[in-house]
Amino acid sequence: DVKVTQSSRYLVKRTGEKVFLECVQDMDHENMFWYRQDPGLGLRLIYFSYDVKMKEKGDIPEGYSVSREKKERFSLILESASTNQTSMYLCASSLQGLAKNIQYFGAGTRLSVL
Amino acid sequence: AQSVTQPDIHITVSEGASLELRCNYSYGATPYLFWYVQSPGQGLQLLLKYFSGDTLVQGIKGFEAEFKRSQSSFNLRKPSVHWSDAAEYFCAVASSGYSTLTFGKGTMLLVSP
Repeated sequence: DVKVTQSSRYLVKRTGEKVFLECVQDMDHENMFWYRQDPGLGLRLIYFSYDVKMKEKGDIPEGYSVSREKKERFSLILESASTNQTSMYLCASSLQGLAKNIQYFGAGTRLSVL
Repeated sequence: AQSVTQPDIHITVSEGASLELRCNYSYGATPYLFWYVQSPGQGLQLLLKYFSGDTLVQGIKGFEAEFKRSQSSFNLRKPSVHWSDAAEYFCAVASSGYSTLTFGKGTMLLVSP
């Protein structure tokens, strides 16, 4: 089975802190994704990566950056956390290719910024 | 740009009753369509997918969905709901050339005894 692991289930940070959310997948997937999930808004794509050191902006990249130094790991970085970044963050991965874009999700990290 | 609409924010169904969750999409070409389920405190799990071929697709946990091009719909159904089906359900569409998904806002299913 594909396993996508997010390092923390819950995080509490203070406004202005630099925050790292880590995601690791064990299936050699080329693509990795970061979403945020808010009630009534569904999932919105923040960033994605289709290869090591490659990244693409999603629908809501402002206030976030990402890092992919190794194929299995994709990090989401909040350079200076703000209260409006309090949310559930979901990581996903998928194989490259048209017919193989089933995304597999981690359990999520619930981030509270105080 | 593609989009997905799930008209129902909440649905309550009695245990044992049938279920239909609605999903409408907007996309110019042939879409790739997905239904995911999210149990409380969990990530998303794929229920089923449509890429091509038979418009009625079967998924896990007894769910099925029907693709209707004329109505731009991909509704999820289950003939008899169990209490364990209580969760949030997301419909998603993928464009043919990319690996990204566009999600609907979700439908929360409540199951009453």
